[in-house]
Amino acid sequence: GENVGLHLPTLSVQEGDNSIINCAYSNSASDYFIWYKQESGKGPQFIIDIRSNMDKRQGQRVTVLLNKTVKHLSLQIAATQPGDSAVYFCAEKAYNTDKLIFGTGTRLQVFP
Amino acid sequence: EPEVTQTPSHQVTQMGQEVILRCVPISNHLYFYWYRQILGQKVEFLVSFYNNEISEKSEIFDDQFSVERPDGSNFTLKIRSTKLEDSAMYFCASSVGYGNSPLHFGNGTRLTVT
Repeated sequence: GENVGLHLPTLSVQEGDNSIINCAYSNSASDYFIWYKQESGKGPQFIIDIRSNMDKRQGQRVTVLLNKTVKHLSLQIAATQPGDSAVYFCAEKAYNTDKLIFGTGTRLQVFP
Repeated sequence: EPEVTQTPSHQVTQMGQEVILRCVPISNHLYFYWYRQILGQKVEFLVSFYNNEISEKSEIFDDQFSVERPDGSNFTLKIRSTKLEDSAMYFCASSVGYGNSPLHFGNGTRLTVT
């Protein structure tokens, strides 16, 4: 896939454990953040988003935390399953642009 | 669940040839985008499109690139004279609104320029 060759940090977790994937963003003007999941041979798949006026948002089995003070974003996946194995990207966007800026990504490996 | 569809999944072309990559965005979406991912690199923004005109483009999106919405359903990216360095995965995306509205991506077209 396209992520071959990228020096991705890898997180290995056991099935059933919780996973935490971290992301540092760079632009203080960014006010909208999205987490995407990318499986091999597929496009980025939307997981969850958060606006800068929030510091936490929950979805089904996922939680995103935003710390604007240190420009840090995290994705927590509860009860990780083999189907969660993929590369996870955070993306940021500032209010005055259409452009999403993607991070490098983290590879999540789930083992039984 | 509605999805963005892209064709072809893989396109091989010779340097200097024109290619057209096709996308069908989600039907009620109004904003359309092209991104690309060169092997081993990050996903990067190319262009956004709204109301039948380019809204924003990156420095990558030079005169060799153009986009079009020829009818009510398709959204295309044309590369006029391909270069070796255009080889990448090209992703189309759409969103229902502007600003804080998530982009939904297709599965991409792998372009290989030889």
